[in-house]
Formats: sequence, C-alpha cells, structure tokens
Amino acid sequence: KNQVEQSPQSLIILEGKNCTLQCNYTVSPFSNLRWYKQDTGRGPVSLTIMTFSENTKSNGRYTATLDADTKQSSLHITASQLSDSASYICVVSPNAGNNRKLIWGLGTSLAVNP
Amino acid sequence: DTGVSQDPRHKITKRGQNVTFRCDPISEHNRLYWYRQTLGQGPEFLTYFQNEAQLEKSRLLSDRFSAERPKGSFSTLEIQRTEQGDSAMYLCASSLGQGALQEKLFFGSGTQLSVL
Repeated sequence: KNQVEQSPQSLIILEGKNCTLQCNYTVSPFSNLRWYKQDTGRGPVSLTIMTFSENTKSNGRYTATLDADTKQSSLHITASQLSDSASYICVVSPNAGNNRKLIWGLGTSLAVNP
Repeated sequence: DTGVSQDPRHKITKRGQNVTFRCDPISEHNRLYWYRQTLGQGPEFLTYFQNEAQLEKSRLLSDRFSAERPKGSFSTLEIQRTEQGDSAMYLCASSLGQGALQEKLFFGSGTQLSVL
C-alpha cells in the first residue's frame, strides 16, 4: 500500500534553533516528492519539489534532502522564526504531472516559541 | 499569497441548504483542482479541469456536488442539500500543466464549510 509516514508528529523548538523533519515513503512508482507548509486554516504552500534524481533542494532557510534508494526525505529548517510555526507535510507523487493521485503524509506540527 | 483566490473564506449553512464556492486560479494556469480536507488529514482529490473541460471526478464527489469552469478561467463548486458530513475545508489549486516531472501546485486559502 502506498504510504507516507512523517516523524515526529509534533515538535517544539525555541526561536533561532534549527530542526529536521523526517519523511519515509513506500510509494511505487515514484515521480517526485514535495514538502508543503500549511498554516492553521490556510491552504498548503509549496516549499520544495524534488524528482528521484535530485538529492537536495533549498528554498531560503528550508533545505530538503531525498534518498530515493532508502525512500527517505528530510526537511531542515535553519534559524527558525516564530512564523515557521505550522504543519509541514511530505507529499509523494507517483506519476509525473498527475496531481490527482498525490499521497499525503499527516504532517509534523512545528511550534516555534520565543 | 499564492495567487489563487477563493471565496468565501468561511461559510456556515444549515443542513439541506445549497452552497457555492468560487476559485480564481493564477491566470495563465490551465489546470485547476478541487480538494477537500478534514482536520488532521491530507487533502483528498475531488475533481480536475484542464481549461474548461472537467477531465476527472473522484468517487468522493457524489451527485450532490457539481463543479464548473466556464471559459477555462474561474471555477465554482456547488454542493446541493448539504449534510453535516460535508463540513470540511474546500481547497482549490492550480498548475501550469506542461507534462513536467515537477508540476507545482498552487493552493488557495480554502473555504471552510460548517454545516449545522
């Protein structure tokens, strides 16, 4: 069964600290892996999107890594800010250009405290 | 702001009433999607348009749901005879479908529907 599992389920860190969120997937076939940030009551916002041939991709203070062999991805947040408090969701697309069959993780809820 | 607008942001209705939501995608995007998201879950695909053609509907989309995208621009999602189980966040997303491996989705802020 196609699944995306994320850990930890929730995380609390102090402002200015770094953190790393994990994503393991068992999805086949595999086209790309995405990380989204979702604030409470808002739609998801794309952070990164990587195909199987990409190992790392950065977007400002966000850096995602992908190991297609072990089917693992991580999202590293550097120098966290209060505005980083949100849910971070890992999403795997089995097929290129097909946004109807996305496999969504349940997200990691991040709280950044002053 | 992703460039995708949804209206209204919140809707409270009584069971049995009809509701309609609107989505304005990014203007040059040819693909438009509707998703439904409940608390603690990922978005579930409902339906998909390429330009004005509705190409796919999920089995989640009962006959009480209808969606349109006239002229390939904005889209509306109507729910008739609402039920309490329809309470959810309804998300619209758009993309520039070019068959690329990395087709990025841009989501709107959603319409939060509460059926009393």
